[in-house]
Amino acid sequence: SQELEQSPQSLIVQEGKNLTINCTSSKTLYGLYWYKQKYGEGLIFLMMLQKGGEEKSHEKITAKLDEKKQQSSLHITASQPSHAGIYLCGAGNGGATNKLIFGTGTLLAVQP
Amino acid sequence: DSGVTQTPKHLITATGQRVTLRCSPRSGDLSVYWYQQSLDQGLQFLIHYYNGEERAKGNILERFSAQQFPDLHSELNLSSLELGDSALYFCASSVRAGISGNTIYFGEGSWLTVV
Repeated sequence: SQELEQSPQSLIVQEGKNLTINCTSSKTLYGLYWYKQKYGEGLIFLMMLQKGGEEKSHEKITAKLDEKKQQSSLHITASQPSHAGIYLCGAGNGGATNKLIFGTGTLLAVQP
Repeated sequence: DSGVTQTPKHLITATGQRVTLRCSPRSGDLSVYWYQQSLDQGLQFLIHYYNGEERAKGNILERFSAQQFPDLHSELNLSSLELGDSALYFCASSVRAGISGNTIYFGEGSWLTVV
């Protein structure tokens, strides 16, 4: 079955610094989602990427999809305390069921 | 606010009991998904319904069942509860059934504690 591995597992950065989170799939990616979660709360939809080479940005967050590498990256520019939380990537596993599975998550802390 | 409503937000119950979690999808969404999130297992897919029909199943235990009603709300029934069932249960919804190009929105979750 498909697996999504995220790196790093956790990250502490100083406010204002840039950072990148990676999501690597064990199989072909059929759409890639990025969500953000505050501990114990719901998942907030950030972005969805569908095609290889696609890049999307929302405010200071940019996500890219590299289909050949079966990988997506999430880049935050000039991080702020409001960016802190758990970032989760999700992908369709293809096939008949086409269900959305998730990576292990990356915990981000931003120090003021 | 994603527009997906889950009740109850918190629930404490004893082992062996049965509980029902309820989900109202976003207006216009026909798909409902259920997920379980725990510290050791992460976010696990349980089941997907589209317009009242079951479309996909994950590693959902036989003690768990779900259904989607004609008004499109969904319920997840958990029975013979065990301590290990304690987790955050999420409902999500989307317009279509497929994953590609289909934005999926999550509710705030229902915290279940089994004591």
